[in-house]
Amino acid sequence: KAGVTQTPRYLIKTRGQQVTLSCSPISGHRSVSWYQQTPGQGLQFLFEYFSETQRNKGNFPGRFSGRQFSNSRSEMNVSTLELGDSALYLCASSSTSGSYNEQFFGPGTRLTVL
Amino acid sequence: GQQLNQSPQSMFIQEGEDVSMNCTSSSIFNTWLWYKQDPGEGPVLLIALYKAGELTSNGRLTAQFGITRKDSFLNISASIPSDVGIYFCAGHLFTQGGSEKLVFGKGMKLTVNP
Repeated sequence: KAGVTQTPRYLIKTRGQQVTLSCSPISGHRSVSWYQQTPGQGLQFLFEYFSETQRNKGNFPGRFSGRQFSNSRSEMNVSTLELGDSALYLCASSSTSGSYNEQFFGPGTRLTVL
Repeated sequence: GQQLNQSPQSMFIQEGEDVSMNCTSSSIFNTWLWYKQDPGEGPVLLIALYKAGELTSNGRLTAQFGITRKDSFLNISASIPSDVGIYFCAGHLFTQGGSEKLVFGKGMKLTVNP
């Protein structure tokens, strides 16, 4: 069974640009959660999508948005990039919403904002 | 907001030694989770704890859910070189608005000298 895949693995953008990251969950998993990981703040929850609906949301500005497709694949978009958005963005999938004990993480997308 | 204080931030030990780490919070959590993250990869779940006082083992790992539901510890016994990595605690809770979130500690970087 293939694991969670994230594309691209590395990305370099400049301030003011926007970026879209993609996450493909484990087959059969319908919940996808997104996290931001930085050395200073650690791992922080962004949002969770289940059955194409945002179920839970962390404390991030509206520049961070996401969506989920009918095949459970999810995308995260960050608009008007700031230097502080440089981070490892992780997605995790689980079979149902809130099943954090069954959550599997992908390898992440390393975003660098110059 | 909810925060987890994880300590120590790093440890350097000799192969064969035991190591302990803990997480504390002012918030009450429903579930405590412990993860390990290797370089270039996403976190992998090690142990999940579901009720106050619960003590759970997974091989050389032992973790406990504090009685107050505000803390947890993880012990690794007889460390081996492949234990190297960053260990995170995470707490699952329901917010006042009825949503769920996973809050992470800042992580503990473990180095094992062979």
